[in-house]
Amino acid sequence: EPEVTQTPSHQVTQMGQEVILRCVPISNHLYFYWYRQILGQKVEFLVSFYNNEISEKSEIFDDQFSVERPDGSNFTLKIRSTKLEDSAMYFCASTPRVNTDTQYFGPGTRLTVL
Amino acid sequence: GENVEQHPSTLSVQEGDSAVIKCTYSDSASNYFPWYKQELGKGPQLIIDIRSNVGEKKDQRIAVTLNKTAKHFSLHITETQPEDSAVYFCAASGISNFGNEKLTFGTGTRLTIIP
Repeated sequence: EPEVTQTPSHQVTQMGQEVILRCVPISNHLYFYWYRQILGQKVEFLVSFYNNEISEKSEIFDDQFSVERPDGSNFTLKIRSTKLEDSAMYFCASTPRVNTDTQYFGPGTRLTVL
Repeated sequence: GENVEQHPSTLSVQEGDSAVIKCTYSDSASNYFPWYKQELGKGPQLIIDIRSNVGEKKDQRIAVTLNKTAKHFSLHITETQPEDSAVYFCAASGISNFGNEKLTFGTGTRLTIIP
């Protein structure tokens, strides 16, 4: 069964450094999402992406964040200058087509900012 | 925006008994309600979902009920087994102009099945 994959599984970085989190959505999916989960808390929406542009973003998704689909298969989340409070699990998700709601989540990347 | 409340935060049941987790939502425009199971160190896995035109849906030992008037929905797990131990999240979403909308998650329920 096709799965969403994410790399790396764990990323450790120094405060102020840039990080890029990578996702490979399921191949025929059209909508892509990033969510984050701070340890022990609920999953929070960051951004949704369709047709090579952001369709919606949350208050968390400020100017330090950006997303890109560089090559038709990868979907990346970049954090330009990481803060301690960016430490969290970051999940990528995708859905197959318009007007279907089921979102399939990847295994996540644990980001630790020191 | 949508707000989803989930109860209880922790739940322990004896193996073989039933478990019920309840969620309420605030936005009457929400029309899709999935349940996710999250095991330690893994991403959320969809276990069942329900859309607003249906009041109940069942898949083997798992069922979900929806009361749109009261804006609440529940997950029912019968004949619980040790492998059901995990954190369960409810979520809600609507349909945006783009065709899909973000999921708003509840705060999660840590379910422990006691052998």
